[in-house]
Amino acid sequence: NAGVTQTPKFRVLKTGQSMTLLCAQDMNHEYMYWYRQDPGMGLRLIHYSVGEGTTAKGEVPDGYNVSRLKKQNFLLGLESAAPSQTSVYFCASRLLGTGPSYEQYFGPGTRLTVT
Amino acid sequence: EDQVTQSPEALRLQEGESSSLNCSYTVSGLRGLFWYRQDPGKGPEFLFTLYSAGEEKEKERLKATLTKKESFLHITAPKPEDSATYLCARISNTGKLIFGQGTTLQVKP
Repeated sequence: NAGVTQTPKFRVLKTGQSMTLLCAQDMNHEYMYWYRQDPGMGLRLIHYSVGEGTTAKGEVPDGYNVSRLKKQNFLLGLESAAPSQTSVYFCASRLLGTGPSYEQYFGPGTRLTVT
Repeated sequence: EDQVTQSPEALRLQEGESSSLNCSYTVSGLRGLFWYRQDPGKGPEFLFTLYSAGEEKEKERLKATLTKKESFLHITAPKPEDSATYLCARISNTGKLIFGQGTTLQVKP
């Protein structure tokens, strides 16, 4: 199993450009998450999905959109990139349920720089 | 407000010098607390889950403990390969994880 994979690993954008980050998981997990990680801020939840075709806002959703057309994929879009979106983005997934199912598995991250 | 606070922000140890990292949380009724390890340039990797006060879990040189107000990650006789950022997170009332800012540990040979 590859676990959680993210594409691309690195990207540089100019202000106003758009891009899509792809997250894929092969563990048949129901839940998927997008986080951003900034120095001194910890991991903050952007959007999440509790199943195919569903999405919901997290703590910092502004400037981002997401889609979950297939159970194994979760896409994060930036329609008009801003320097404030320079960050490292992590995708995570977990099983449906409680207890040990709360454990989230993380991808390797995408480092995005917006100039 | 749900909050998770980790201390210290950074910790430097000599190889073999044992210490503890702290994770405290503000909301009662804890549903679960997680510890993750994150190496530079990589995603967080799961270490432990703790559910109730008094619970302890161990893995190699690491032991996690939980009280009603906080959790500790004890590192016994650390080695340079234990150098990483350690994150703790609690489960919110809506089932999402709320992360602390992390403790960056450096173990010198």
